[in-house]
Amino acid sequence: AQSVTQLDSQVPVFEEAPVELRCNYSSSVSVYLFWYVQYPNQGLQLLLKYLSGSTLVKGINGFEAEFNKSQTSFHLRKPSVHISDTAEYFCAVSETGGGNKLTFGTGTQLKVEL
Amino acid sequence: KAGVTQTPRYLIKTRGQQVTLSCSPISGHRSVSWYQQTPGQGLQFLFEYFSETQRNKGNFPGRFSGRQFSNSRSEMNVSTLELGDSALYLCASSPREQSYNEQFFGPGTRLTVL
Repeated sequence: AQSVTQLDSQVPVFEEAPVELRCNYSSSVSVYLFWYVQYPNQGLQLLLKYLSGSTLVKGINGFEAEFNKSQTSFHLRKPSVHISDTAEYFCAVSETGGGNKLTFGTGTQLKVEL
Repeated sequence: KAGVTQTPRYLIKTRGQQVTLSCSPISGHRSVSWYQQTPGQGLQFLFEYFSETQRNKGNFPGRFSGRQFSNSRSEMNVSTLELGDSALYLCASSPREQSYNEQFFGPGTRLTVL
């Protein structure tokens, strides 16, 4: 079984400031790692994913994440946020070879302020 | 390409009733997964269908069931509704059953049980 922990339920940040959203996971098997974003009254949209290879992954909208196997972490970063980045962000894992079953963290609400 | 569509978008039912939710995946996608999203439990996996076969099932009671048709459209059914079933139900589609694929989410069906 897998579990995902997002340590921060809310992160307030000023526009143009950098941000890091933290994610740690636990699994007894190999997993793939994902970050999804949910805007109000919408479904989820994939930001980026880590499958293998380079531990630094770049995604859409200027986001990137770094996979750290020893710390079982997959933190999401953006060097300069915009008001439009206000949304809820979910870290998720899926078991390799386990089909399209995602285990999600509890989410981090990113609020960008002027 | 049209995105994932879910009908209806909003639904109000009373305890004890049953409900059927529908999901039309992106054209060509053969995998459909369902998730329940609540403020208390977050995003939880219900089940996944691929080529009309259930491949994965989450930890939900038997009142929750689903099926997939030959055109990949999927339905989920909840019988004997309880107040705790009030949630946003999200459907996601993917082209194949491999767990490294991106899942494309619909906007969800908001179910309220009174």
